[in-house]
Amino acid sequence: AQSVTQLDSHVSVSEGTPVLLRCNYSSSYSPSLFWYVQHPNKGLQLLLKYTSAATLVKGINGFEAEFKKSETSFHLTKPSAHMSDAAEYFCVVSDRGGGSYIPTFGRGTSLIVHP
Amino acid sequence: DSGVTQTPKHLITATGQRVTLRCSPRSGDLSVYWYQQSLDQGLQFLIQYYNGEERAKGNILERFSAQQFPDLHSELNLSSLELGDSALYFCASSVGGLSNTGELFFGEGSRLTVL
Repeated sequence: AQSVTQLDSHVSVSEGTPVLLRCNYSSSYSPSLFWYVQHPNKGLQLLLKYTSAATLVKGINGFEAEFKKSETSFHLTKPSAHMSDAAEYFCVVSDRGGGSYIPTFGRGTSLIVHP
Repeated sequence: DSGVTQTPKHLITATGQRVTLRCSPRSGDLSVYWYQQSLDQGLQFLIQYYNGEERAKGNILERFSAQQFPDLHSELNLSSLELGDSALYFCASSVGGLSNTGELFFGEGSRLTVL
């Protein structure tokens, strides 16, 4: 069975400082990993994805994540936070266990950006 | 715009009632997923359909049912509604089949309030 743990429920940063949102996963197969962002009262938007190619994945809006198999981690980073980055972020693991991709979501990390 | 359309966006109803939520997937996507998002449970997978057939079931209550029609749109039926069913219900679609990587495209959600 697959699972994902987002290590922080809230992360608070100042505008212009780096962002780090932590995610650990568990999977019995070669997983695909994703980060989604959800702004208030909006649907979820894909930020970036890892599907067994390059381990350092670049996404939209300056975000990137590194797949580390030895640490079973997929942390999301951004060099410099912007006010518009304030949102809920979800780490997702998905593998073919059971014959079908059923993405499993973490509980989410709320990113707060202070001016 | 993800290309996934959900209706209605908002729905207010009373306990004991029945509602139907509708989802049109992205053009070309064969797989539809339903998720429930609540404050205490996070994003919970309910059910998946692929090309009209049920593919996987998650934490879906017996009072809930879904189907995918030949034109690939899907409906989620919620009956004998309880206060605890108040939540944001998301539909997501994916390519499905052998080219599937688990990447989901989300609609904006249907917010259900049960009074």
